[in-house]
Amino acid sequence: GAVVSQHPSRVICKSGTSVKIECRSLDFQATTMFWYRQFPKQSLMLMATSNEGSKATYEQGVEKDKFLINHASLTLSTLTVTSAHPEDSSFYICSSAGTGDLGGTEAFFGQGTRLTVV
Amino acid sequence: ELKVEQNPLFLSMQEGKNYTIYCNYSTTSDRLYWYRQDPGKSLESLFVLLSNGAVKQEGRLMASLDTKARLSTLHITAAVHDLSATYFCAVDRGWGAQKLVFGQGTRLTINP
Repeated sequence: GAVVSQHPSRVICKSGTSVKIECRSLDFQATTMFWYRQFPKQSLMLMATSNEGSKATYEQGVEKDKFLINHASLTLSTLTVTSAHPEDSSFYICSSAGTGDLGGTEAFFGQGTRLTVV
Repeated sequence: ELKVEQNPLFLSMQEGKNYTIYCNYSTTSDRLYWYRQDPGKSLESLFVLLSNGAVKQEGRLMASLDTKARLSTLHITAAVHDLSATYFCAVDRGWGAQKLVFGQGTRLTINP
């Protein structure tokens, strides 16, 4: 199946600073990628859809000025958490859809980024 | 608004036993996915269910989909410790595994 690589896997930053998370499709071109957030012991919630060459679309309640998404190429989407605060501490996971080995279109997930804001 | 509900949320069972996790969803969809998540890790794809009556099996896990009842099940047969993880079902809001809505997750613990 397709490979989605996310970096970094862990980051600790000070409150008020910005953090950039990268999501790369390694063996396919991804015109669309998705960013999810998972708080500890909770489920995943879709934050935004990243569209190559155009603006991202955000889910209701997600601040677009706080979570900046850039999708400048067919293999790279970035999520920047601006002016991070402790409540932004979470597990962020990107995904992209493609045809895999399970017999249908499926989402391929990056490894996730554990963000801790202190 | 699409809602996905799993039950149970927590499941502790002994090795060798059978059990079923249920996933109900609120609006029509013919694409349902099951994932496994180990602590601190991302999601591992288990099953893609694309049509009513679909049944897929891999090892001790079997998943089924009833689109009329808006219900999917994940059945565990003769559980082993290695299956301990959190299992999520997810339903596709859009086309082709895009914009997934996840259930709350079922934390499965299998005791020797």
